[in-house]
Formats: sequence, structure tokens, C-alpha cells
Amino acid sequence: QQPVQSPQAVILREGEDAVINCSSSKALYSVHWYRQKHGEAPVFLMILLKGGEQKGHEKISASFNEKKQQSSLYLTASQLSYSGTYFCGSPAGGGADGLTFGKGTHLIIQP
Amino acid sequence: KAGVTQTPRYLIKTRGQQVTLSCSPISGHRSVSWYQQTPGQGLQFLFEYFSETQRNKGNFPGRFSGRQFSNSRSEMNVSTLELGDSALYLCASSLAGPGGNTIYFGEGSWLTVV
Repeated sequence: QQPVQSPQAVILREGEDAVINCSSSKALYSVHWYRQKHGEAPVFLMILLKGGEQKGHEKISASFNEKKQQSSLYLTASQLSYSGTYFCGSPAGGGADGLTFGKGTHLIIQP
Repeated sequence: KAGVTQTPRYLIKTRGQQVTLSCSPISGHRSVSWYQQTPGQGLQFLFEYFSETQRNKGNFPGRFSGRQFSNSRSEMNVSTLELGDSALYLCASSLAGPGGNTIYFGEGSWLTVV
């Protein structure tokens, strides 16, 4: 089943913070986060493999609560380059490496 | 290291025709997965191949098929094209080792069905 992302869209001013949530009705064994800019391929941000794991680089970080079957992506002091659509994905199952993605969160950063 | 390469990048087909899209994974990657992306449905999983075997398939009709070769390169085919098949088709590759694997996407093939 497809993860559910919220919010669907966010408009921020440069320098503001944002949180994007991803939840699932089925067990999440890993969560993958991607960002896609218009007309481009999704770009890998990070993968969280264990419940409670937190990761981050620069001003983008994420947490994974396995028990609650949810993950959150945190964007701190957002920059114009953070604009795009953010997707969370979870394994499609069957031991395969494919992912089932949420519908995405559109993030617009204004100067 | 070269990334995931997809060909062709753009193509226009007529309803009822068939199309074959090609994907070359990152060197050393053994898993290839395919996705369809449309404005209405978002990014949807089509199927995943590992060692020439399909390990999982998304909820798509049988008109959508794929295969993987011994060198890990993959192709997907869509037969009897419909207008609704117009989409960006993305290929992704990963190492397919134990544990969660980072999946890297190609630039995609833009298919327009007229």
C-alpha cells in the first residue's frame, strides 16, 4: 500500500523551516526520501533503516518511528534550492528493491 | 561512475502501437526497477528485476512487461498503447545486497501517445 504524505503542498519564505510527514498503514522496514525538481529525475536524499534512526546532512534531516509506522523529513533554514517535490518510499515487498512512493509534497521556497 | 542511462529520452507513439524502453544500470548494480510517473497518479512502481527474474510487480495491466539481461541491462515494453500511457517512465538501479539499498534513478523516458 502507498505511503501517505502530508502536507500536499507547502509555501515558505527562504530561511523558514518545514516538516514533511510520511505514514503507512503497513509495517515500514525502511523509508527512502527523494527530491524531484520539475522535469528532472528524483534525487536520493537519505534512507532510514531502523526504527528510531535519524539522519541528516547539511540542513536536511529525517527521523523514522517504526512503531508508529511513520517518518518525518525536516528542512531547516530552507534555501531556494530546496524547492521541488519530496517523495517518501517504502519497499514494494517480495524481497524486491523496488519502492512504493507517496503522492509527494510540493515545496515552494520564495525569496 | 556513470549513472543510470535510459533511452530513448523522448518519443511519440500512436495509439495501438507498442514501445520498448531501455535502461542501463549503474555498473555493479544488479537490481533494476521501473516506475511510471503521471501528474494524476504520481510515481507508481511497475516491476523490479534481479538476476533476470522479476521479483515484484505493481498493479498494472499485462500490456506492461519487462525483462532483464545477464549484464543487468533491462527493457520494458508496453503493447497496444493507450492515451493514458503517456507518462514519464523512470528506471532505477540498486546493488540489491542485504538490507535496505539506495535506489538511483535515471533521467527517464518521456512517452507521448497520440
